[in-house]
Amino acid sequence: SQTIHQWPATLVQPVGSPLSLECTVEGTSNPNLYWYRQAAGRGLQLLFYSVGIGQISSEVPQNLSASRPQDRQFILSSKKLLLSDSGFYLCAWSVYSVGAGELFFGEGSRLTVL
Amino acid sequence: KQEVTQIPAALSVPEGENLVLNCSFTDSAIYNLQWFRQDPGKGLTSLLLIQSSQREQTSGRLNASLDKSSGRSTLYIAASQPGDSATYLCAARGGGSNYKLTFGKGTLLTVNP
Repeated sequence: SQTIHQWPATLVQPVGSPLSLECTVEGTSNPNLYWYRQAAGRGLQLLFYSVGIGQISSEVPQNLSASRPQDRQFILSSKKLLLSDSGFYLCAWSVYSVGAGELFFGEGSRLTVL
Repeated sequence: KQEVTQIPAALSVPEGENLVLNCSFTDSAIYNLQWFRQDPGKGLTSLLLIQSSQREQTSGRLNASLDKSSGRSTLYIAASQPGDSATYLCAARGGGSNYKLTFGKGTLLTVNP
């Protein structure tokens, strides 16, 4: 069966520090991968998605970047965190298919920037 | 641009009651619609996926329906239990993009024992 792992679960970072959140999927090949952010009162916002190694699409201009160095690994990064980067970050995957795939989420990473 | 709305934002019911959660979307050209459950501080758990060609899907006490022409989906929960307490989100895929889901803000359900 397929599983998705996301870490760290919780982190507190000072403004201006770097960020790296990692997500890996097991039990499937060539998945579509996604990073979402969930902020209070704003719902889920798609940040990045990837349909293959090295292929990243950004949905929202921001202080964050994403990379996909391996087929089932997706990394969310920042060089210098802002207060507004605080939130709950969720990685997700779906089967590589046009439109029809069910989306599965990881457990999330709660980031607090102080 | 697809917009998804969920009403009500919060719902409190006594245990054993049957209930309906509503989801509406503005662009009917969707590939599918997915319902999720989220417990506090946790990720989203997929409950049901309805393809655009389907009218409903069932899993245990849950039944989700889809009416593309009216831009509506409902999640029916039978014989609610305290363990059903969570936030329920719906998300529509399509309406301009093959890869994105547009989420509603969710309905916070509380089932009182």
